[in-house]
Amino acid sequence: QKEVEQDPGPLSVPEGAIVSLNCTYSNSAFQYFMWYRQYSRKGPELLMYTYSSGNKEDGRFTAQVDKSSKYISLFIRDSQPSDSATYLCAMSGGFGNEKLTFGTGTRLTIIP
Amino acid sequence: KAGVTQTPRYLIKTRGQQVTLSCSPISGHRSVSWYQQTPGQGLQFLFEYFSETQRNKGNFPGRFSGRQFSNSRSEMNVSTLELGDSALYLCASSQNPKTEAFFGQGTRLTVV
Repeated sequence: QKEVEQDPGPLSVPEGAIVSLNCTYSNSAFQYFMWYRQYSRKGPELLMYTYSSGNKEDGRFTAQVDKSSKYISLFIRDSQPSDSATYLCAMSGGFGNEKLTFGTGTRLTIIP
Repeated sequence: KAGVTQTPRYLIKTRGQQVTLSCSPISGHRSVSWYQQTPGQGLQFLFEYFSETQRNKGNFPGRFSGRQFSNSRSEMNVSTLELGDSALYLCASSQNPKTEAFFGQGTRLTVV
């Protein structure tokens, strides 16, 4: 079983819809939680990160972390065709563990 | 501020050969991490360097090695290439790799 599980999709939604992307994880040492967006033939781009449990909002994007359930989410409001990409969750642990553990990514398409 | 630069962008090598990939981090970033991305396994951590020292290492065979220079630039070497080494190799630079990693566009390696 992988440390981080992410539904690979693909996920297609109409423009303007709210998108919900999710990851679950098994390693309770994870403390930092990140979402990346990756366009085709590009490197991943950091969208936002959250430390421990809670919510964080940045424009149309909201990240939620529930450490008790080992579950993180990314919500995209008023989705745009330019949001079409692969979304990757990533996590890292405590002191001395600087590596990021990634989910496999969810491919999202926003239909105009 | 210039982003992370990886060279070359594309490489085609033959089985048994070796290859060296290069990464120039964002100015001021002392941490450089390397990841392998494949359709089946997603993004997997190779190693992380900080101030010329390898600080973390992933579960890859010894054929994969790296180094970091005093100007924080990093190189990754793969010896005795196998077909399964075909992948996108991504370099990420950070001030704090636990919370933010800025990726380059990657080097697409094809082993034939």
